[in-house]
Amino acid sequence: AQSVTRLDSHVSVSEGTPVLLRCNYSSSYSPSLFWYVQHPNKGLQLLLKYTSAATLVKGINGFEAEFKKSETSFHLTKPSAHMSDAAEYFCVVSPFSGGYNKLIFGAGTRLAVHP
Amino acid sequence: SQTIHQWPATLVQPVGSPLSLECTVEGTSNPNLYWYRQAAGRGLQLLFYSVGIGQISSEVPQNLSASRPQDRQFILSSKKLLLSDSGFYLCAWTGQGPNTEAFFGQGTRLTVV
Repeated sequence: AQSVTRLDSHVSVSEGTPVLLRCNYSSSYSPSLFWYVQHPNKGLQLLLKYTSAATLVKGINGFEAEFKKSETSFHLTKPSAHMSDAAEYFCVVSPFSGGYNKLIFGAGTRLAVHP
Repeated sequence: SQTIHQWPATLVQPVGSPLSLECTVEGTSNPNLYWYRQAAGRGLQLLFYSVGIGQISSEVPQNLSASRPQDRQFILSSKKLLLSDSGFYLCAWTGQGPNTEAFFGQGTRLTVV
């Protein structure tokens, strides 16, 4: 069975400092992995996705993630945090089975950005 | 471009009352459609998915049901709401085939009182 595990429930950074949100996955084969962001009482927005192409994936708003098979990790990073980055972030693995994409969400990581 | 509409944005309903949440997708055809529920401080739980008109699959046993009367319309219903049905409900769609990302509606905050 496929799953994802977020390693930090809360991350707090100062504006302008780097962001690291950690995610490990479990999959018996090469997975499709995604990071989504959710602002309060809003839907989820796709930040980036990995689908077995380049291992370093660039997304929107300066975010990127690196797929490391040896570590079964897919950590999300950003060089410099902005106040508007404060939100909840979800790592997602998506097996394709039975004709549909079953998005499996880990628990979210809440990012706080301080001035 | 594709868009997804979900309404209402917020809803307060008494215990035992019926529920109907609607979701429609524009700009695509034959989407896979999904209903998720997000409890406070937790991840998203897949409730239902549909790969075509009239085809509904349930992931978890519950007090809710789903229907897909048209290709791009997905409805979440209940005949009698429970307190435990409170939560944030999200509709989403993906394209057909693997490795496609999901696009989410803005969500419905349901409070059962």
